[in-house]
Amino acid sequence: DQQVKQNSPSLSVQEGRISILNCDYTNSMFDYFLWYKKYPAEGPTFLISISSIKDKNEDGRFTVFLNKSAKHLSLHIVPSQPGDSAVYFCAARGRTSGSRLTFGEGTQLTVNP
Amino acid sequence: DAGITQSPRHKVTETGTPVTLRCHQTENHRYMYWYRQDPGHGLRLIHYSYGVKDTDKGEVSDGYSVSRSKTEDFLLTLESATSSQTSVYFCAISLAQNTDTQYFGPGTRLTVL
Repeated sequence: DQQVKQNSPSLSVQEGRISILNCDYTNSMFDYFLWYKKYPAEGPTFLISISSIKDKNEDGRFTVFLNKSAKHLSLHIVPSQPGDSAVYFCAARGRTSGSRLTFGEGTQLTVNP
Repeated sequence: DAGITQSPRHKVTETGTPVTLRCHQTENHRYMYWYRQDPGHGLRLIHYSYGVKDTDKGEVSDGYSVSRSKTEDFLLTLESATSSQTSVYFCAISLAQNTDTQYFGPGTRLTVL
């Protein structure tokens, strides 16, 4: 039972354009969401997070949007840069799950020069 | 970058042999986690620890055991490795239980022949 799903295994965009990565979840107990970026042969690195009491959080070129009614979140990268090419994982934490995170399958983003 | 190291970084072993992976942190964080990453599954939690000698199972704990005798070290043991345990293993740490992000080590690539 995949509680966090990233339905697009890959996404390709042109440099300078917007990248939109999507994530859906099924567990209504999730109240904190995170995005991680992963380069090959490295561990995931934290990118941005959002609490369920908000619907938007912004950090530089990265913005995460949360639609609780649709159980959907998205990561927007504007403008996209070739160095953003990586696998992006969304993750969620529940009110009763302590510090445990549930991850999606990941989306490979490729930004073409 | 969080001070997290994993050893070994690469290992090839044979079915039926015991394997121990080590995670070492210099951050004095209370919480430590072991994940495995497989194509199509993202990152899945194996075991986690919320303090010295305090551990609990994650979603894919069968065939794995852990130990934490010191704050800085978290060991993952495969008592009798199987080919299905071929994966990339990541250790992560976090300071607090709620709202805090997890920081990941560089990973260990394990191949079971």
